[in-house]
Order: sequence, then structure tokens, then C-alpha cells
Amino acid sequence: KAGVTQTPRYLIKTRGQQVTLSCSPISGHRSVSWYQQTPGQGLQFLFEYFSETQRNKGNFPGRFSGRQFSNSRSEMNVSTLELGDSALYLCASSLGQQNTGELFFGEGSRLTVL
Amino acid sequence: GDSVTQMEGPVTLSEEAFLTINCTYTATGYPSLFWYVQYPGEGLQLLLKATKADDKGSNKGFEATYRKETTSFHLEKGSVQVSDSAVYFCALKGSSYKLIFGSGTRLLVRP
Repeated sequence: KAGVTQTPRYLIKTRGQQVTLSCSPISGHRSVSWYQQTPGQGLQFLFEYFSETQRNKGNFPGRFSGRQFSNSRSEMNVSTLELGDSALYLCASSLGQQNTGELFFGEGSRLTVL
Repeated sequence: GDSVTQMEGPVTLSEEAFLTINCTYTATGYPSLFWYVQYPGEGLQLLLKATKADDKGSNKGFEATYRKETTSFHLEKGSVQVSDSAVYFCALKGSSYKLIFGSGTRLLVRP
């Protein structure tokens, strides 16, 4: 079956703009998590959704937001972009309500902020 | 809070060499432990896992044993291939809601 699909794969924005990233989880998976990956900070947890509800949120400013739709697809939005937001944004899905740590990752959306 | 510490890379080996990537953790309770691998240009993939002390996870020739007494989960492979070149992440899932990753160790295997 198809894996986790993230779009777009690459994008370039300028400071002050906003961006929306999309994630389609594996069919049947109801939980979606988002991570930011940078060379300096590594993998940092952004948020997790289950059944359209945000269950958990990492330590990121309010400029970072997300949502999940009834079909489990998820979007994350970053407003007022800063240079430091340049990163690979990874989406991961998992099957059940309980987060067991077994995540299925997409290939990521690489954001460059100029 | 919970944390994972990995050896810094890059680790450079010749093909067929033995691989060890060290991972130690700090956590309360009894976390589950994982190794994820990220090949160039791709997302992370679960490589193996162990959910309790003394469990050995294995996959694709890689192994790691959950050692509670030393709070370690070192990744090993007896004979690496060029195709194993990737970044390897140790991770834990404890009582926290999130999966906590180490900083990653880049492995370069030369022919």
C-alpha cells in the first residue's frame, strides 16, 4: 500500500511569507505527527493529531500550527517565516490511538527561507 | 527529562567491516527503544525495536540489545555494505507522548 505522502517536496519562500505543507498518511492510519529536522537541532517534535484533534504539541512558537481532516490527512502552517525556519519537515503516521513509537515517515518537505 | 545520546559521526568503514554505533539513554520507567535509518533524500524508516530489558531487536543483519543495567541500545552489524551508508537515529518512547530522537550518526561505507 502507498506510504506517507508529503507535498510539496521542495519549496522556497522569503521572510515574512507563510507556508502550508500537506501530509497524507498511510491508508487506515489515524495518527499523524510532524517533526522539524535541522542540522543544528536534529529532529524536534512539532505536534501530533489523532481523529482531527491535536493531542500533543512541542515547544514551538504559535507561528507553527496544524490541523487534521476527517480523512486523516494533515496540514501544517508556518506564518511570518524566519530564516531559522529553513528545515526538512517530516510527517509520520501510525495506526492506532496509542503512540507506540512505531512511526512511518514521509520523505519530507524541504523548506528554504530566503 | 528523557533523552538519548549517540556517538558522533561520521563513522567511516570499509565494506565488510564490523559496525557498532553507540546509544545510551536516560528515562524514567521502562521505555521502548528504536533504531531508525534515514537514507539520502528520504524520510526515516524503522530499522528495529526492543520493548523491554534484554530484548534483542534485529532486521537486515542489524542487531541491538536493550541493556537496562547500562542504559544502552548499541547498534551492531557484522559486515556492512555500501548500501548501508545512511544516518542512523536511536530513539526512545517513554512515558512522554513523543518519540525522542538522538542526534543521529552518519555512516559512510567505502567499497
